[in-house]
Amino acid sequence: QTVVTQEPTFSVSPGGTVTLTCGLSSGSVSTTYYPSWYQQTPGQAPRTLIYDTSTRSSGVPDRFSGSILGNNAALTITGAQADDESDYYCLLYMGSGIWMFGGGTKLTVL
Amino acid sequence: QVQLQESGPGLVKTSETLSLTCSVSGGSINSDYWSWIRQSPGKGLEWIGCVHYTGSISYNPSLRSRVTISVATSRTQFSLRLTSVTAADTAVYYCAKYYCINDVCRGFDYWGQGALVTVSS
Repeated sequence: QTVVTQEPTFSVSPGGTVTLTCGLSSGSVSTTYYPSWYQQTPGQAPRTLIYDTSTRSSGVPDRFSGSILGNNAALTITGAQADDESDYYCLLYMGSGIWMFGGGTKLTVL
Repeated sequence: QVQLQESGPGLVKTSETLSLTCSVSGGSINSDYWSWIRQSPGKGLEWIGCVHYTGSISYNPSLRSRVTISVATSRTQFSLRLTSVTAADTAVYYCAKYYCINDVCRGFDYWGQGALVTVSS
């Protein structure tokens, strides 16, 4: 069974730029997987950042952007801030009505 | 602004049935798709399944034999039933709304706050 892959951990310096990726254990992610991205801090519900590959959800600052990079979906954060320190999850449409989350990336800002 | 709120028992006995309801306000359930997601303690998000008000339903293959998602006749709620629960089903359960265009869904746009359900004997 194909699984959705994400980097388990990542770190970025304050003010820096980081790109998190979302891939497949077999195959390449394209726009037809409708990748979306969610931010979650401990004890809170997920917050939608990006849907449909690159559309920012309402109220999400433009330093968050989504794209397809090579074989993966990507979430890029520019000008990282301390409160960007969170878990980030991607979600892909696998076909036949089935959706699958990646395992999540724990982002540290230091 | 759509708002979602999960409700249901916070404690369920092993082997019994977990039942949760998601109440929708600020929007119509007669559009888009609606979903349940869960998160076990210290773990990642797991997609459980989704439903459209027309009755179209999809389930996570790993849970399909035990899960039922449905839209209530009130059309302001949808529900989750998970049978034969074990400690592994202990999780925070979230309901969420898909953002869809022409019935093609592109991710979630709204989430509930989540409801912790503990399974214990």
